Amino acid sequence: QVQLVQSGSELKKPGASVKVSCKASGYTFTSYAMNWVRQAPGQGLEWMGWINTNTGNPTYAQGFTGRFVFSLDTSVSTAYLQISSLKAEDTAVYYCARSGPNNHFDYWGQGTLVTVSS
Amino acid sequence: AIQMTQSPSSLSASVGDRVTITCRASQGIRNDLGWYQQKPGKAPKLLIYAASSLQSGVPSRFSGSGSGTDFTLTISSLQPEDFATYYCLQDYNWPWTFGQGTKVEIK
Repeated sequence: QVQLVQSGSELKKPGASVKVSCKASGYTFTSYAMNWVRQAPGQGLEWMGWINTNTGNPTYAQGFTGRFVFSLDTSVSTAYLQISSLKAEDTAVYYCARSGPNNHFDYWGQGTLVTVSS
Repeated sequence: AIQMTQSPSSLSASVGDRVTITCRASQGIRNDLGWYQQKPGKAPKLLIYAASSLQSGVPSRFSGSGSGTDFTLTISSLQPEDFATYYCLQDYNWPWTFGQGTKVEIK
């Protein structure tokens, strides 16, 4: 069965970096795009962008350029989200989500809580 | 970016009630819209795609309709497990954008 398993919660200081992983199983990793979605505490969902798992080409939504980097390691069917120069407002749950055959997000990771605090 | 506005922001309903949530796009998006359900502490779950197509495994009490700028999600008979927050998402063009969410609470 399709599964997306994300890395565990992170506590980071302002200015540090974090790398969140999303390991896929149960399907051909390069056949479906991977998206990243942010949810700040008590807030709604925000689409951060997506990465083409065939070419590795990322697309970032406004507000997620510069400090945010999507990457892949297709040899282990894993997508990564790296955030640098962390700020308190980056505190959120970050989800990876697969784009299914109809474009929408048919499978999601369990979410990774990133807390930025001094 | 296309703005997606959901209404209401929250509602109280009883088990067995018919519930309708609306989502309005700031410009026409054909039928490029999906609906998601999120329960506290859990990842969202896809319910509807292409405005009215039911995702595999989703109960038939959920239905979607609309095209252009106005869309609705209907739960025909609310069940205890349906108390959650619901989001629409447009996939017409980038950046894809979510509505702000509608929280369905127990009356």
